[in-house]
Amino acid sequence: QSALTQPPSVSGSPGQSVTISCTGTSSDIAFYNRVSWYQQPPGTAPKLLIFEVTNRPSGVSDRFSASKSGNTASLTISGLQAEDEADYYCSSYTTSSSLVFGGGTRLTVL
Amino acid sequence: QVQLQESGPGLVKPSETLSLTCTVSASSINTPYHWGWIRQPPGKGLQWLGIIYHSGSASYNPSLQSRVSMSIDSSKNQFSLKLTSVTAADTAIYYCARENDYDSFGYVHWGQGTLVTVAS
Repeated sequence: QSALTQPPSVSGSPGQSVTISCTGTSSDIAFYNRVSWYQQPPGTAPKLLIFEVTNRPSGVSDRFSASKSGNTASLTISGLQAEDEADYYCSSYTTSSSLVFGGGTRLTVL
Repeated sequence: QVQLQESGPGLVKPSETLSLTCTVSASSINTPYHWGWIRQPPGKGLQWLGIIYHSGSASYNPSLQSRVSMSIDSSKNQFSLKLTSVTAADTAIYYCARENDYDSFGYVHWGQGTLVTVAS
């Protein structure tokens, strides 16, 4: 199974919005609504931001939103803050009954 | 709140078996949720290793299927990972995790991670 495709890096200024894409195939993102997004600051465990495409766990800021169209999922971070600087990963369940992650995107807040 | 803690050797020799245990607190392991293992080589991305349910039923990453196995010990509220015939490529931080909702595959609870180095 191939990793989902994410841009290696994105950047934005405080207060702006940024969107991170995650491209899969007809066997994962397009097939299932089991897409998740994680935030991982350096040296810490990943933190779940979004599950089942659009749902935020309790306690996650509503500045984080997500969507899916076809085989591409997207995470949007609005009102960018310095604390948002981290690595971001998407994941999707697949028709192979397994989970695949994206390669990760480094977000830099300028 | 749910807490997970990985434990096991931090150094494993090539060709040997990596064994880790995840101890769960503030949540019974006998729930409909599945319990997972995810690893991250230093400086690289996340890789899903597999999951196990309280029934003992498991599902593994196809690329590791022949080397990985998982088990569950309800009496100790623990689940475990074994990875055989390890090489340097298996050097990684290993995380155990629990999903947020039944079969959502969104992992909301994570252990702090344990670094396992494969070296002689």
